[in-house]
Amino acid sequence: GQNIDQPTEMTATEGAIVQINCTYQTSGFNGLFWYQQHAGEAPTFLSYNVLDGLEEKGRFSSFLSRSKGYSYLLLKELQMKDSASYLCAVMDSNYQLIWGAGTKLIIKP
Amino acid sequence: GAVVSQHPSRVICKSGTSVKIECRSLDFQATTMFWYRQFPKQSLMLMATSNEGSKATYEQGVEKDKFLINHASLTLSTLTVTSAHPEDSSFYICSARDGSGGDTDTQYFGPGTRLTVL
Repeated sequence: GQNIDQPTEMTATEGAIVQINCTYQTSGFNGLFWYQQHAGEAPTFLSYNVLDGLEEKGRFSSFLSRSKGYSYLLLKELQMKDSASYLCAVMDSNYQLIWGAGTKLIIKP
Repeated sequence: GAVVSQHPSRVICKSGTSVKIECRSLDFQATTMFWYRQFPKQSLMLMATSNEGSKATYEQGVEKDKFLINHASLTLSTLTVTSAHPEDSSFYICSARDGSGGDTDTQYFGPGTRLTVL
């Protein structure tokens, strides 16, 4: 079956760095998405990786290894507003999105 | 974990026809379901929020007469795109919130339905 795993919850300190991992097993691969979702709001697009490697976008970076079925989202210089759920989603060979359950990130002062 | 399904996964239709998309929560009761449009490499745009047994709440700019939403049961919501036009072509995603009293912030997302209007 298709599966995406990411930690349920993580805690980090303001100003620090945190890495949220996502591993996947899907039938085919047409890209991996990371979204940020604040409570009560729609998910906000953060990144899309389809090739191996690291993509950096400001304080956020996303890494993909297709051979390992693995991605991570790296958040630097954490701010309190980064407290949110982070969703990993993979588009499979049928262009369907397979969603992880989300990682709730708690930032402490 | 909780599973949300959508049917159909993809649909191609002629301009002017209506298309119905179903969203089902498979192993939990969803008191609230959300409908989104996804544009390539962009955020999900919330279209409407539906609560079981009541009228949907539409976001500003979304035509309620064009995008009909029905949430007839605790496990099923439908989105009907009426008189579809090519600009309605998009990836439609639903999500469901578990109403069992647990984490009320968690939404479970469906796999999406790709609509192409010719």
